[in-house]
Amino acid sequence: KAGVTQTPRYLIKTRGQQVTLSCSPISGHRSVSWYQQTPGQGLQFLFEYFSETQRNKGNFPGRFSGRQFSNSRSEMNVSTLELGDSALYLCASSLAPGRYQPQHFGDGTRLSIL
Amino acid sequence: DQQVKQNSPSLSVQEGRISILNCDYTNSMFDYFLWYKKYPAEGPTFLISISSIKDKNEDGRFTVFLNKSAKHLSLHIVPSQPGDSAVYFCAARNSGGGADGLTFGKGTHLIIQP
Repeated sequence: KAGVTQTPRYLIKTRGQQVTLSCSPISGHRSVSWYQQTPGQGLQFLFEYFSETQRNKGNFPGRFSGRQFSNSRSEMNVSTLELGDSALYLCASSLAPGRYQPQHFGDGTRLSIL
Repeated sequence: DQQVKQNSPSLSVQEGRISILNCDYTNSMFDYFLWYKKYPAEGPTFLISISSIKDKNEDGRFTVFLNKSAKHLSLHIVPSQPGDSAVYFCAARNSGGGADGLTFGKGTHLIIQP
């Protein structure tokens, strides 16, 4: 069974640019969440999507946005990139956003801002 | 403020012995708890979870214990194997209506010594 697939694996951008990251969930999973991992802050929740609707959002500025398509695939966009946006961005999927559903993670996209 | 705390950044255990990883939380609304294992350059791998209606859950070599009154959970690995060497993250979630994403601890680096 294929796991969560994130593309690209690595990305280098410069300040002020924007970036789009992609996530394909496990087949049959309809909920997709995004997380940012940095050495200082650890793993932090960005947002969660289900049925093409954002259900929850973490404490991140509006430069961070996302969307989900009808096939449950999701994209995350960061505009006006800052040096502090350098991080590992992880996508996780679960069957549904209901109670007691474990989230399964992809291997992430490593974003470096120069 | 850190709502999920893993106070031991690292833990060294001999192969074949028991590994005990600890996690404390402060948010009494958390009702679902998970443990993930992470190797370098890979995403977190789901290990085991427990809901707040239980105090123990077992899966093979892995057992999670939940003490709600102390707001404490622990992961026991018996027997410890060399492949268990990794960073372990404790995560928690409020699964009720308007649920948030997972809140993670900073991780414990488990080293299994031969």
